[in-house]
Amino acid sequence: NAGVTQTPKFRVLKTGQSMTLLCAQDMNHEYMYWYRQDPGMGLRLIHYSVGEGTTAKGEVPDGYNVSRLKKQNFLLGLESAAPSQTSVYFCASSWTSGGLLLNTGELFFGEGSRLTVL
Amino acid sequence: LAKTTQPISMDSYEGQEVNITCSHNNIATNDYITWYQQFPSQGPRFIIQGYKTKVTNEVASLFIPADRKSSTLSLPRVSLSDTAVYYCLVGDYNTNAGKSTFGDGTTLTVKP
Repeated sequence: NAGVTQTPKFRVLKTGQSMTLLCAQDMNHEYMYWYRQDPGMGLRLIHYSVGEGTTAKGEVPDGYNVSRLKKQNFLLGLESAAPSQTSVYFCASSWTSGGLLLNTGELFFGEGSRLTVL
Repeated sequence: LAKTTQPISMDSYEGQEVNITCSHNNIATNDYITWYQQFPSQGPRFIIQGYKTKVTNEVASLFIPADRKSSTLSLPRVSLSDTAVYYCLVGDYNTNAGKSTFGDGTTLTVKP
């Protein structure tokens, strides 16, 4: 059981280049999230998804796009990378009962993807 | 989403009990309080969650007063391996997609 897997783990980009980060989870979770974490700071929510085919903006969505074509995958795209997007990116997933049962909403995180934009 | 306030850092020694308090004055009726632990170069990990009074598991205890405007994470007999950043989150996980603000957390340093 792999849990949440992020690829790639490290990437260096030049300003203006594009790239996609892939998040895959094997827990059949409905909710998936992308966060960024800058040095010495907490995690900030970029985008999230409440199910296949749906996405929504989080706290800091500008400069990023996401897609959830399959339930198990959540992609984060940078169309034109900027140095301000240098950060560690974390993907997470969680289960929900849709309000039918009590659930903790526990977030399961990947190991992170370290992105440097020169 | 309820905003949380925690101390930026705390120091302790091995074997001591550590209490980290989080303030969340605008917590909503349906909100739960959750604590996460993060080691360097890793994603956060769920520690404990509660709604009111006291919750205890094999790792920690969570104390929540009746007004729920604050909560205290208690780590008994800490060891060097408990050195990490601890985040307090508040949110409605049953109906609100689990969106929560992490804040900057509390950096706990355990010394020998």
